[in-house]
Amino acid sequence: NAGVTQTPKFQVLKTGQSMTLQCAQDMNHEYMSWYRQDPGMGLRLIHYSVGAGITDQGEVPNGYNVSRSTTEDFPLRLLSAAPSQTSVYFCASQSRTGFAGGAFFGQGTRLTVV
Amino acid sequence: RKEVEQDPGPFNVPEGATVAFNCTYSNSASQSFFWYRQDCRKEPKLLMSVYSSGNEDGRFTAQLNRASQYISLLIRDSKLSDSATYLCVVKGTNAGKSTFGDGTTLTVKP
Repeated sequence: NAGVTQTPKFQVLKTGQSMTLQCAQDMNHEYMSWYRQDPGMGLRLIHYSVGAGITDQGEVPNGYNVSRSTTEDFPLRLLSAAPSQTSVYFCASQSRTGFAGGAFFGQGTRLTVV
Repeated sequence: RKEVEQDPGPFNVPEGATVAFNCTYSNSASQSFFWYRQDCRKEPKLLMSVYSSGNEDGRFTAQLNRASQYISLLIRDSKLSDSATYLCVVKGTNAGKSTFGDGTTLTVKP
């Protein structure tokens, strides 16, 4: 039962580097989202998607891009990493209709930008 | 004002105690409400959805008050294993978006 799989689990980047955080789900969920969580804080929505080919911005989209070419995958791209992007990143998926709309999360990617 | 506000705590209670958390939301058009649990350095996991009529799952009871725009979570007979951060989540008319509170930290002590 893979659920939501995020890779990598840990990453250190230098300022200015770019990278892609991977997220895949095997539950055929329509909705997928990316959040960041800073120490002592809740999750803030970066981008989300309600289906393949459809994405939209969340609360804190600047510095990040997403695409949704398939139902299963929702990668998050950091265009030019900055120390302010040091955070834990969570990907989530949820069914449009099932389980009262609750989301399933990946295990997170801990990103440090130096 | 934040869209979803929670008392950050921490709440420190002895085993067997009853503890309640409240969460307020600002958007009166919000449609779905949830409580998630997050253990230290782990991903959030859905604890329970919150229905207008209130709902119970074992020792956990969730309530929704639309008029006052708050939801609550009651934990009875607290266990050591209940120690975690509890996140309140609200979804509006855009079903793809969920807004999280900052969480309330609970520590249950022997």
